[in-house]
Amino acid sequence: DAGVIQSPRHEVTEMGQEVTLRCKPISGHNSLFWYRQTMMRGLELLIYFNNNVPIDDSGMPEDRFSAKMPNASFSTLKIQPSEPRDSAVYFCASSFNQVAVLNEQFFGPGTRLTVL
Amino acid sequence: DAKTTQPNSMESNEEEPVHLPCNHSTISGTDYIHWYRQLPSQGPEYVIHGLTSNVNNRMASLAIAEDRKSSTLILHRATLRDAAVYYCILRVGVRTSGSRLTFGEGTQLTVNP
Repeated sequence: DAGVIQSPRHEVTEMGQEVTLRCKPISGHNSLFWYRQTMMRGLELLIYFNNNVPIDDSGMPEDRFSAKMPNASFSTLKIQPSEPRDSAVYFCASSFNQVAVLNEQFFGPGTRLTVL
Repeated sequence: DAKTTQPNSMESNEEEPVHLPCNHSTISGTDYIHWYRQLPSQGPEYVIHGLTSNVNNRMASLAIAEDRKSSTLILHRATLRDAAVYYCILRVGVRTSGSRLTFGEGTQLTVNP
């Protein structure tokens, strides 16, 4: 199993540019999570999907951030326009979520975003 | 979400046992205790979880106090590869909305050769 796949692994962009981060969850998993990690704020949940439907997006910082999951095998996190304070490592995770069955989340390797 | 409290850092020597404590005095009856760890430059990975009874798996053991207000993650023989940040997380069980994990600051474990 390839695990959770994220691309790109590193992204350097200039302020004001659009950034798109991509994630392929583990096949068969029905929940997908986007996290952001910074030194100041630690690891925080941005949004998560169950069966391709956004369930909780309360962690999305502002309207500049958007996430989509068009099908069970792909998700994107878009920042438009990007700002230097968006610089962070963004992790995608997936799990098989079923009532009364607690399964662990599997994290991808992360995308390190630098906004100049 | 109920909160957990962990020491910021701990040190251990290689091949010695490590006991990582976690306090969760406001835990509710349906909260599961989860442990994840994050190795340098990697995403977090699941270690173990439990509800009331002590749990063992190939990575670690989880000892849960009788009143469930605290727990201890036990690494039986620490290796250099166990150096990581360890997160203790309470997670609501038996509801689909309980999927989320709320990470605190965790404990940075240093393993000395």
